[in-house]
Amino acid sequence: EAQVTQNPRYLITVTGKKLTVTCSQNMNHEYMSWYRQDPGLGLRQIYYSMNVEVTDKGDVPEGYKVSRKEKRNFPLILESPSPNQTSLYFCASNPLGGNQPQHFGDGTRLSIL
Amino acid sequence: GESVGLHLPTLSVQEGDNSIINCAYSNSASDYFIWYKQESGKGPQFIIDIRSNMDKRQGQRVTVLLNKTVKHLSLQIAATQPGDSAVYFCAENRLAFGKGNQVVVIP
Repeated sequence: EAQVTQNPRYLITVTGKKLTVTCSQNMNHEYMSWYRQDPGLGLRQIYYSMNVEVTDKGDVPEGYKVSRKEKRNFPLILESPSPNQTSLYFCASNPLGGNQPQHFGDGTRLSIL
Repeated sequence: GESVGLHLPTLSVQEGDNSIINCAYSNSASDYFIWYKQESGKGPQFIIDIRSNMDKRQGQRVTVLLNKTVKHLSLQIAATQPGDSAVYFCAENRLAFGKGNQVVVIP
């Protein structure tokens, strides 16, 4: 089954404790991205990657890092999480060529205390 | 946790009626538009898309209308069912997402 898998689905942690949210897709898509979703603000892109070893900032990259060492994986790293990063996070992927919709994971709800 | 549906425009519709959800976009150069459905606890899922060389596209129970003159997109859901209760997003050129509209189906 074609899917985007995120882990963990839920995490409660404390300020300053490094965490990583993993994202993996099995569709051989070149393009992957991370979004955060907050009430009243919709989906905002954090980082994206157009292929292995190529990453770029989205609209709200501050406080986040990503890496793309393999085509299928695109982890999101919070080196020193803060309470304003409490949010619902989505990973998405799509092929690069032509106009095609994104495939989203089921989300990771992070609470930073 | 707080629902993504909070603070969103909400359409309440009786089961079996038709639903219309509207979306305005800003970039007149956008040439591809998508509607996504997001159910509680899940990520957005693709429903239907339309390219700018079309003004209407139909799927199963859903129709998307594109009016480039006024930069307006709409999603029509025929015979709305309880499973249609969700937040619906439009997106232009894949990446620019609207904030969403919540649809609540009343049985």
